[in-house]
Amino acid sequence: KNEVEQSPQNLTAQEGEFITINCSYSVGISALHWLQQHPGGGIVSLFMLSSGKKKHGRLIATINIQEKHSSLHITASHPRDSAVYICAVRSGSGGSNYKLTFGKGTLLTVNP
Amino acid sequence: KAGVTQTPRYLIKTRGQQVTLSCSPISGHRSVSWYQQTPGQGLQFLFEYFSETQRNKGNFPGRFSGRQFSNSRSEMNVSTLELGDSALYLCASSRTIRSEAFFGQGTRLTVV
Repeated sequence: KNEVEQSPQNLTAQEGEFITINCSYSVGISALHWLQQHPGGGIVSLFMLSSGKKKHGRLIATINIQEKHSSLHITASHPRDSAVYICAVRSGSGGSNYKLTFGKGTLLTVNP
Repeated sequence: KAGVTQTPRYLIKTRGQQVTLSCSPISGHRSVSWYQQTPGQGLQFLFEYFSETQRNKGNFPGRFSGRQFSNSRSEMNVSTLELGDSALYLCASSRTIRSEAFFGQGTRLTVV
């Protein structure tokens, strides 16, 4: 079982729909990242969370440390939101075991 | 403010050769980390440098090595290339090991 599990793997939505992508992890973490990757490879860091909720424009990220779960929400989705969304957790207490582990990603396609 | 710059963007090498990839971090960032992305394994952590010292290392063979210079620029080297090393190699920089990471566009390496 992967340390970081994302669901769904693929998601197709119509423009304007509310989107939720989930991330569950099995290790203790110090931070969780949500990343966006467009075709061509470049990755953009959307959020880094260690507790609570963050909002940036139409994007909202939440994390529940006790349940080891995070969600990324996109309100009023748009075709330009089509991308792969990747959850990554930073675990370890420092020193040589401090590392970033990634989920497999969620491919989001928003149709006009 | 310039982002993270990786060079070259694309590279084709032959099995058995070696390759060096370069990453210039955002000005003021002292931490550089490297990742390998393949269709089968997704994103995997290679190593992380801070102030010219390797702080963390992922589960990759010794053919993968790196270094960081005094100006925080980093290089990654892969020796005795194998077909399975074909991947997108991404680097990310951050102010410190625990701060938010900013990714470059990646170097797409093809081994033939």
